[in-house]
Amino acid sequence: KAGVTQTPRYLIKTRGQQVTLSCSPISGHRSVSWYQQTPGQGLQFLFEYFSETQRNKGNFPGRFSGRQFSNSRSEMNVSTLELGDSALYLCASSLVGSKTRTDTQYFGPGTRLTVL
Amino acid sequence: AQKVTQAQTEISVVEKEDVTLDCVYETRDTTYYLFWYKQPPSGELVFLIRRNSFDEQNEISGRYSWNFQKSTSSFNFTITASQVVDSAVYFCALSEARATNKLIFGTGTLLAVQP
Repeated sequence: KAGVTQTPRYLIKTRGQQVTLSCSPISGHRSVSWYQQTPGQGLQFLFEYFSETQRNKGNFPGRFSGRQFSNSRSEMNVSTLELGDSALYLCASSLVGSKTRTDTQYFGPGTRLTVL
Repeated sequence: AQKVTQAQTEISVVEKEDVTLDCVYETRDTTYYLFWYKQPPSGELVFLIRRNSFDEQNEISGRYSWNFQKSTSSFNFTITASQVVDSAVYFCALSEARATNKLIFGTGTLLAVQP
């Protein structure tokens, strides 16, 4: 079974631009979560999508948004980029999860975003 | 509030030594899950283990073992006879069932295994 794939792997943007990152989950997985990893803040949860709906949201400004398609693929968008948005963005997929069970999340290789 | 603490920032050992990575967590929920992930230099987080709050049985998988103790809110990870390939950053994470798939990560422990 193919793992979680993320595109692109590397991205360089300038301040003020916007960016869209893509994630394809493991086949059969319906939940997709996004995380930001920086040296200063570590790994932080951005949001989770399930059945094309945002199910959980972390503490990030509205410039960070996402969506999920009917085939469970997900995209996240960052508008008006700031220098502090430079980070490794990781996508993770899991089967379903529920309010009584957390499924294991499997991570992709990440997209490294550099904002100049 | 939920929190995961990995007090050891960096650990350096010589190959074949045993090493234990500490993880202490805080949560008010009675149903929660604990995870360990490995992050090699390539960047991808590799899943190692998942444990739910109702299962305190320790687990062994090859050279890896995990000690879950609810009384001390700890979920420690031991590598026996470490190898150079074990060199990576290791993260402990917590997920509360009511928050479904939201993982709260510790700050990670960088393990360097010297030949």
